[in-house]
Order: sequence, then structure tokens, then C-alpha cells
Amino acid sequence: QVQLVESGGGVVQPGRSLRLSCVASGFTFDSHIIHWVRQAPGKGLEWVAVISGDGTTKHYADSVKGRFTITRDNSKNTLYLEMNSLRVQDTAVYFCARQGSGLDNWGQGTLVIVSS
Amino acid sequence: QSVLTQPPSVSAAPGQKVTISCSGSSSNIGNNYVSWYQHLPRTAPKLLIYDNDKRPSGIPDRFSGSKSGTSATLGITGLQTGDEADYFCLAWDNSLSAGVFGGGTKLTVL
Repeated sequence: QVQLVESGGGVVQPGRSLRLSCVASGFTFDSHIIHWVRQAPGKGLEWVAVISGDGTTKHYADSVKGRFTITRDNSKNTLYLEMNSLRVQDTAVYFCARQGSGLDNWGQGTLVIVSS
Repeated sequence: QSVLTQPPSVSAAPGQKVTISCSGSSSNIGNNYVSWYQHLPRTAPKLLIYDNDKRPSGIPDRFSGSKSGTSATLGITGLQTGDEADYFCLAWDNSLSAGVFGGGTKLTVL
């Protein structure tokens, strides 16, 4: 079955960097667009970034543009989110989600806490 | 302030029907598909509706979606206590070149 497993979250100081990973299984990874979505404490879902199946097309939310980079390694069935210049407002649970018909499969999320 | 506007909360009694609206613009809902998600705390969001009005396999027909112009609506009939959750709409925004979620609607089944 389709599975997405995020990792890499943790506690980090403002201004520092963190890289999240999302390992996929159970489907043809490079055939699917993948998104990152986050949820800050007590807030709603916020779309973060998306990458095409071949990794050539990427889009970002304005709130992370220039600081976050989405990439993928199709040979490893893995999606990444490189997060630089982290801010307190980036504190959230980060989900990766597969785009099939809608975002049809999601990981359980990884928690990122940005705090001094 | 979300690009897509949803009511913060809705409520209804078990067995009743509720609708949740999602209002946007021509740059998002007006020209792109809408999907809907159910989110319970500490769980992964769950796709309920895609392409405005289609249900994935396994989603009961109590859940329905529709779109008209720059607004979309999620309908839930035969409400159950297990339907208590937050519901979000999502669409692509052509002007932002980004996905945009609604602010979310908390459903309470009284």
C-alpha cells in the first residue's frame, strides 16, 4: 500500500537550518507530483511547496520562498525540504502528500519547533 | 487571512445535514479544481472530495462536493459524532502559482 513517512523534524534555533525527508513506498514515485503542507499549532493547514515528478518544476508559498527548497531523489524514492533561515513562525507539523486525484495520500507528519 | 474563505465553525445534530462553503476568486476556484480534506488532531489529513465533486473509493456518499463560479461547497448528510473534525478546501491559485487552503471549518455534531 501507499506509504509516506516523514522525518527530520526537531527543535532548532531561529536562523538555523533543517532538512526534512519523506520516504515513499507502494507506488511509482517518479510518476507523482508531491507537496509539502504544514500546520502550525492551533492553526489550519498551510500549503508550502510542490515538485513535479521529474523534479524540474517547483513552486513555493510566499511565506517560504527564498528560504525553503524542495527537491527529490527518485532513485531513493525520497522527497526533501531544505529549510534555511528558520523563523519562530515556521514552527509546525510538516506533512508530505502525494498528488493523485487530489492529495490522496499523506504522511503522518514531522514536528519542527523553532525556538531559542 | 486565507485566500480561500471558509466559515470558522458549523454545527448540527446527529443525522442532520450540514454544508461548508469555500469562497475564492477567478484565479483559484473559478478556474481550477477544488478538493476537500477532513483533519482530526494528530492524524494525517484525509481526502474527501477531489475535482470539485468526486469521491475517492472508500469515502461514503454522505459526503458530496459542488462548485459554482468562484465558490465550492462540501455537504455532509446523516451526520455522525465521528464526523467531528476540521474541514479544509484546497485549490491551485494561478496568480500566486501556489496551492491555497481555506482557513478551515470546525464541525461540531451536537
